Amino acid sequence: DGGITQSPKYLFRKEGQNVTLSCEQNLNHDAMYWYRQDPGQGLRLIYYSQIVNDFQKGDIAEGYSVSREKKESFPLTVTSAQKNPTAFYLCASSEGPRQVLSGNTIYFGEGSWLTVV
Amino acid sequence: GQQLNQSPQSMFIQEGEDVSMNCTSSSIFNTWLWYKQDPGEGPVLLIALYKAGELTSNGRLTAQFGITRKDSFLNISASIPSDVGIYFCAEPKEGNRDDKIIFGKGTRLHILP
Repeated sequence: DGGITQSPKYLFRKEGQNVTLSCEQNLNHDAMYWYRQDPGQGLRLIYYSQIVNDFQKGDIAEGYSVSREKKESFPLTVTSAQKNPTAFYLCASSEGPRQVLSGNTIYFGEGSWLTVV
Repeated sequence: GQQLNQSPQSMFIQEGEDVSMNCTSSSIFNTWLWYKQDPGEGPVLLIALYKAGELTSNGRLTAQFGITRKDSFLNISASIPSDVGIYFCAEPKEGNRDDKIIFGKGTRLHILP
């Protein structure tokens, strides 16, 4: 089936550890995104990438890092510099934001819950 | 910067009631998107609007693109339990290198037993 796969669904991290959240898509989409959602809050953009080997910071990039070595993959690393990492993380993809303007859309994965213990 | 304001933040309704929520922007939009997020899942697109004044339906859902291009409304008729969730408005922001999609903070819909 085509879609976006995030893993793991649940992740526990000790303070001071880096963790990496996986996001893979087989939709042949150019653009990929990472959002963070806190309880009772909306979606905040962490990083996004429009093409392979290129990415830009979103609104809350501090303490996070990404890579886009392959079109299908956009892993997010939550570093120890992120002081409050407990949240629900959503990966998404689209043919490209400009394509959204012409009728395509952004698709989300099922999310990953990260908890610091 | 560009902001999307959704209201109300939360709604508590009885099953069968109609629901209305809206989204406003500080700037003019060319596209309005409405998403629904079920608990613990990723958001799913409900309706997309591309033209000022446009009124679009998807089953019991109806959304309108405001004529000022700074607001949009989403209505749900005859609510049912599976309507529970968070409803987001969103807009693709176009730039030279920083095309991205901006989401509002969401309206949380609760249905009372």
